[in-house]
Order: sequence, then C-alpha cells, then structure tokens
Amino acid sequence: GAVVSQHPSWVICKSGTSVKIECRSLDFQATTMFWYRQFPKQSLMLMATSNEGSKATYEQGVEKDKFLINHASLTLSTLTVTSAHPEDSSFYICSAEQGSNQPQHFGDGTRLSIL
Amino acid sequence: AQTVTQSQPEMSVQEAETVTLSCTYDTSESDYYLFWYKQPPSRQMILVIRQEAYKQQNATENRFSVNFQKAAKSFSLKISDSQLGDAAMYFCAYRRGRGSNYQLIWGAGTKLIIKP
Repeated sequence: GAVVSQHPSWVICKSGTSVKIECRSLDFQATTMFWYRQFPKQSLMLMATSNEGSKATYEQGVEKDKFLINHASLTLSTLTVTSAHPEDSSFYICSAEQGSNQPQHFGDGTRLSIL
Repeated sequence: AQTVTQSQPEMSVQEAETVTLSCTYDTSESDYYLFWYKQPPSRQMILVIRQEAYKQQNATENRFSVNFQKAAKSFSLKISDSQLGDAAMYFCAYRRGRGSNYQLIWGAGTKLIIKP
C-alpha cells in the first residue's frame, strides 16, 4: 500500500518551454503533498507544500510564478515549471502524506534536463 | 528551528557485518517523529524505519533497528547482516507530531558503501 506515482520519470526539453510533472497517490487519499528539488549529492530541498483545493505554500526563495502547483484532487498534484531554463535542470520529487501523523511516501522522481 | 545533523558523509562496511549510521537533531518540541529514508542509485526515496518520540521502545524492521536517545537527541540506525542491496544514501529526517502539513527536516545524508 501507500504507492505514489510520479510522471514523467525523465524529460528533456528546449529552453523556454513549460513542463508539467504529475504526482498521484494510487491507493490512498493524500491530504497533503510536498514537492522537493534535489541537487546532485545533496539532500532534498522542500519547494512547496500542497493541500487539495487550496493554494500551495511555497518555501522562501522559490518563485511561485515559476513553479506552478495545482492540487485539484486528493490523489493528484501537479508541478509546472514555466518557461524552463537550463538552471531549472534538476531532480524533482514529490511525496504524499496519507493523513496526520503518517509518514510521507515518495514518488520515483523526475529528472528534468533543459537544453 | 529544528535541525538534523548527520556527521558521517560516507560509511563503508563489509558484507554481512553490522554498521551504525548516526543522526542527531535539535528541537524544543516534545512530540515529534523521526525517520530514516534510503535513496539507492535509482533515486527512489524509501522509508526504512520510523520512531515516535513518545515511545521509549526502539523501532525495529527486520535487519534495521534504531537507538533512540531522546534526552541526548540522538537517533542512530543500525543495519545488521549488511547486504549489497543496502548500498545507498541514507537520510535522517524529523517531523513535528500531531497533525498534517508539517514538513520533514532533513539531514545531509550518509552514503553507505557495502564491500563484497
């Protein structure tokens, strides 16, 4: 149980395009979803916390207009990197929390490469 | 603010031996959770073990166990009978308790190498 699916796993695109990453909880309803960015050989950096039906809460230094988060249902959250540039290239991971006092379960991550 | 410290950037152990990864944290909260996550080269983040602060008994999951010292704010992970598949980055994480929406506070990670 507690499976989180993240898609796509790898995407390469040209500079200036927008990229959408999906995060789905397959067998549970996620009250909260989290979006992380991970640089090579580093820990996870929280970008934003997302709750169904409300605006995401972004961490300091994360541009909300650059990284659009939509949490339309209890099983789906999306991260859209708008007008992506090479510096946005990174590994992005989502996680979903099944309920209060439950651990976060992670998707497999998305490797984003902007040319 | 809460912090999590993993002082060992890299550890190595012989296959079938036991290894302990250290983690310390700082918090003024009394109710919280602690986690160990494993990230293999595939980069999937896998929950290894979790500990509730109000429980005195150390959590165990098969070959994985923790030594939770609340007063010392220490949360080490012991891996017994190490296997090649245990090779990964291991991250210690802290979370405030009782409620949702609380973010995980992460340590910097420890790279575990298993020698065959």
